[in-house]
Amino acid sequence: GENVEQHPSTLSVQEGDSAVIKCTYSDSASNYFPWYKQELGKGPQLIIDIRSNVGEKKDQRIAVTLNKTAKHFSLHITETQPEDSAVYFCAASYSSGDKLTFGTGTRLAVRP
Amino acid sequence: GAVVSQHPSWVICKSGTSVKIECRSLDFQATTMFWYRQFPKQSLMLMATSNEGSKATYEQGVEKDKFLINHASLTLSTLTVTSAHPEDSSFYICSAREGLRDSTFGSGTRLTVV
Repeated sequence: GENVEQHPSTLSVQEGDSAVIKCTYSDSASNYFPWYKQELGKGPQLIIDIRSNVGEKKDQRIAVTLNKTAKHFSLHITETQPEDSAVYFCAASYSSGDKLTFGTGTRLAVRP
Repeated sequence: GAVVSQHPSWVICKSGTSVKIECRSLDFQATTMFWYRQFPKQSLMLMATSNEGSKATYEQGVEKDKFLINHASLTLSTLTVTSAHPEDSSFYICSAREGLRDSTFGSGTRLTVV
């Protein structure tokens, strides 16, 4: 089955700086790679996703890159704000809507 | 957009009792629902996948007789934790999708077994 590794487990940045979270996956058949933000006591919220036919996708301050050959993808958050503080999970699946295999999570703290 | 409502948001039950968690799709027909479990400071782990009108498919290591999943309608799936024990205390989260569309997560249920 699929295995997703995520690094770092914790990340602390100064407000305004950029944050980068990296994930690798094992199953070359995976084609859908979403990123979720989870706040304490809440369900995960989809913030951006990318499909295997695309190398990069951007939505305002958030971007995701995918290297299918190397089987890794990354989340980039620019101009971080304190409200970006949360736990971020990457995930992989064969297609959007399919069952997801999650990474281990990154706790991001943005210092004001 | 697609909205999934999960109820209750938190529940405390005594060891040995059963507790039911509901997951509803409010504005779409949930042909497939997924149930995940998340222990404190850990990742989400898939427990089972259910298709409306069919028996759920459980992931390896998840006891189907302990975690009963019912998906009898296109808008409602329930997860019943039977004979709950303290080690079942966790955050249970459902997600639902219509056909092959993207899935949407519920807000989760915090179960504490005392």
